[in-house]
Amino acid sequence: QLQLQASGSGLVKPSQTLSLTCAVSGDSISSGGYSWSWIRQPPGKGLEWIGHVSHSGSTYYNPSLKSRVTISVDTSKNVFSLNLSSVTAADTAVYFCARLIVVASAHTRFDSWGQGTLVAVSS
Amino acid sequence: SYVLTQSPSVSVAPGQTARISCGGNYIGGQSVQWYQQKPGQAPVLVVYDDSDRPSGIPERFSGSNSGNTASLTISRVEAGDEADYYCQVWDSSSNLVVFGGGTKLTVL
Repeated sequence: QLQLQASGSGLVKPSQTLSLTCAVSGDSISSGGYSWSWIRQPPGKGLEWIGHVSHSGSTYYNPSLKSRVTISVDTSKNVFSLNLSSVTAADTAVYFCARLIVVASAHTRFDSWGQGTLVAVSS
Repeated sequence: SYVLTQSPSVSVAPGQTARISCGGNYIGGQSVQWYQQKPGQAPVLVVYDDSDRPSGIPERFSGSNSGNTASLTISRVEAGDEADYYCQVWDSSSNLVVFGGGTKLTVL
């Protein structure tokens, strides 16, 4: 059974870089047909897609965050990571990692999610 | 960029039918997914490709999609269905994932 576990710093100072890692177990991160994604949810608000990396290493980012986001994958450790630079209080959120099934480009769905990790941006 | 619009809240009595809508320009031509999120938990996929259910999701959950509106219907609503529900599409014109703003389902 697929499991995703996000980890990283729970407190980041303004202007610094937020770094999170998602460990994948129960499947290889190199499996074809899947992409690996980050989604966030500010307290009391809705879901915001941050971006994802495909099994081939292609990346797709939310335009509103693109200039600050890097998502990468380490197949040797079966993990993928998120770096978000120059953070502000607006980046305070629960960050989820998830597996994205991509079928024929327009047919996509997040079928497995990690439990989420709260990251607060504060001095 | 593509925008999905959901009503903020829906209320229904136990045993009744809840309908949650998701509006978008020509959304009928897109594949729509629905997620259920209970407080403090990660979202769970309940409907994909407009009307398919993942294994383990009750038949009470169904979906439809036509024109400018997609809908999630929950029949015989139970107290345990109280949650936030989000619709999601893949905007193929820009290769981006889009979520609706979410609808809070309250079971009276």
